[in-house]
Amino acid sequence: GAGVSQSPSNKVTEKGKDVELRCDPISGHTALYWYRQRLGQGLEFLIYFQGNSAPDKSGLPSDRFSAERTGESVSTLTIQRTQQEDSAVYLCASSLTRRPGLAGKRDNEQFFGPGTRLTVL
Amino acid sequence: AQTVTQSQPEMSVQEAETVTLSCTYDTSESDYYLFWYKQPPSRQMILVIRQEAYKQQNATENRFSVNFQKAAKSFSLKISDSQLGDAAMYFCAYSWNYGGATNKLIFGTGTLLAVQP
Repeated sequence: GAGVSQSPSNKVTEKGKDVELRCDPISGHTALYWYRQRLGQGLEFLIYFQGNSAPDKSGLPSDRFSAERTGESVSTLTIQRTQQEDSAVYLCASSLTRRPGLAGKRDNEQFFGPGTRLTVL
Repeated sequence: AQTVTQSQPEMSVQEAETVTLSCTYDTSESDYYLFWYKQPPSRQMILVIRQEAYKQQNATENRFSVNFQKAAKSFSLKISDSQLGDAAMYFCAYSWNYGGATNKLIFGTGTLLAVQP
């Protein structure tokens, strides 16, 4: 089946503009994550959606960052008034939830999309 | 706080040889998972191997194996018979079981592996 997809692949914007990044998770995956990867660094957690539960926004670096998810489908990450330090690759991942009684070796695995490279000039 | 540390920014190995990448972590949780991800220049994160903390046996996946030392909080990756396609950035990552649901990954800073022909 199809993997996690993200769009656009690359985005160049001017400082102060708003940008919207999209993530389409694997069908049936209830959990969705956004991560940020700055040049030469590891991934930083931004936000986590799990079904209809309140999202875990603990990783969002400022109130300029927000994300939405409709049900268990597509998610958008919005960055308002972009700054040069927002330049990074933004990665999305999805996974199944490990519910009691649910068998499966890899149901805890996060599957990543190819990312969106954001450049703020 | 949970942290993951990779102390080797870069490593190099000859083709067909064996290389070990180091990772240490810090946690107070008892039920958690450890992962090694590979990220080639394409940016696609690929899961290489995973280890459940409750399992004493070290995980293996073909040429990839781990040395999981729970008491020492160490989780190293061994790549045997290295191939040119193994060249990539490797990230160690940690996740803990939270209320029966999967959880966010905490990543190390990565080790860039070069494979010499």
